[in-house]
Amino acid sequence: DAKTTQPPSMDCAEGRAANLPCNHSTISGNEYVYWYRQIHSQGPQYIIHGLKNNETNEMASLIITEDRKSSTLILPHATLRDTAVYYCIVRGPTDSWGKLQFGAGTQVVVTP
Amino acid sequence: GAVVSQHPSRVICKSGTSVKIECRSLDFQATTMFWYRQFPKQSLMLMATSNEGSKATYEQGVEKDKFLINHASLTLSTLTVTSAHPEDSSFYICSAPGSRVHADTQYFGPGTRLTVL
Repeated sequence: DAKTTQPPSMDCAEGRAANLPCNHSTISGNEYVYWYRQIHSQGPQYIIHGLKNNETNEMASLIITEDRKSSTLILPHATLRDTAVYYCIVRGPTDSWGKLQFGAGTQVVVTP
Repeated sequence: GAVVSQHPSRVICKSGTSVKIECRSLDFQATTMFWYRQFPKQSLMLMATSNEGSKATYEQGVEKDKFLINHASLTLSTLTVTSAHPEDSSFYICSAPGSRVHADTQYFGPGTRLTVL
């Protein structure tokens, strides 16, 4: 059973912020939210992860709601190179370490 | 940053032949590596866990005799698709986690595109 729900696709204008939602209403208290992306015909790339607090790194920001049932990945200034499939993954410390279950993801297309 | 390489990047073979795909962790050791398969327009599906010095662990529905995995060293895992058929044509991706705790240090290879004629 899928632990996360994401919209299948999203368009974004170059230079604008891209806000990618993810629903994980059955998340447990010790499960983390991870985001990966996969550019066409490449291996996935780690973006960011979080537990409760909002997180920011050089690639993106992760906003997790207070009840932790949903989160949003924010790409602050989308570029054409950000066109990719974005995967939101919920993983707990008891899951086999390093083993990731990928859902369908969101196909993000950044347009000029 | 840490890098995982795969070889070859593309391979075309005839039906019935065997194909070996290598996955290497270039600047770190990996006692465990993972093999995924991705069909066109689909998501990644975990096939098996490769364990250095012991047998691989296969996901349900994956034939262990068809997809042979060997993890002979701390930096190399190989996946051999035996007696390949057109339905085995897919994008094969390996990964290696750098940390027991966080998958943020799980590194993915660039993938191998297998086409079986």
